[in-house]
Amino acid sequence: EVQLVESGGGLVKPGGSLRLSCAASGFSFSNAWMSWVRQAPGKGLEWVGRLKSRTDGGTADYAAPVKGRFTISRDDSKNSLYLQMSSLKTEDTAVYYCTTDNINRPLDYWGQGTLVTVSS
Amino acid sequence: QPVLTQPPSASASLGASVTLTCTLSSAHSNYQVDWYQQRPGKGPRFVMRVGTGGIVGSKGDGIPDRFSVLGSGLNRYLTIKNIQEEDESDYHCGADHGSGSNFVWVFGGGTKLTVL
Repeated sequence: EVQLVESGGGLVKPGGSLRLSCAASGFSFSNAWMSWVRQAPGKGLEWVGRLKSRTDGGTADYAAPVKGRFTISRDDSKNSLYLQMSSLKTEDTAVYYCTTDNINRPLDYWGQGTLVTVSS
Repeated sequence: QPVLTQPPSASASLGASVTLTCTLSSAHSNYQVDWYQQRPGKGPRFVMRVGTGGIVGSKGDGIPDRFSVLGSGLNRYLTIKNIQEEDESDYHCGADHGSGSNFVWVFGGGTKLTVL
């Protein structure tokens, strides 16, 4: 059974930093491309960024609102995906989900999400 | 990149049928769209992918036969027959676009389905 479990959310002040984690199990994580998607309270889904597998180059692509502030990384030895967020803004307040995002596939599997609140 | 438009709400009685619509922007009529179900307080779950020819690939894990899709012109439809209480959810449509540094996933605003 595929499982994705996010953690690391919390309350942070504007301008601050936070690192989210996503623990994966039930599939070959090292071969998987992964994405982060967020959902502001009462709003729709917004794609944050994607990280390719190391065998496919290991590069990341980001949505315009977070480019230069957020960094996605992975540790295949721990089956874990990370989202390092810096220079946080109030508009980054959202539930953050990690998802599988393999090429030519839908976002097949999602975690339960972790809430990030950016407020003074 | 495509823009996906969904009505904010829909409702249907228990046991009835409902069709949800996701409309693509006019320049993107050949795009496939993915449907996701999000129950209250939960993460989204992939339902199925739809193009102009209907379903693309397989349904998501555990999606019942009551769910089906159609595609026509700019519209991508998700139909739910014999609606059950557990179908009360937000339904999102999404599509990917571009490659490399221009890659993006875009989503509609979501439709909240209420089961009466």
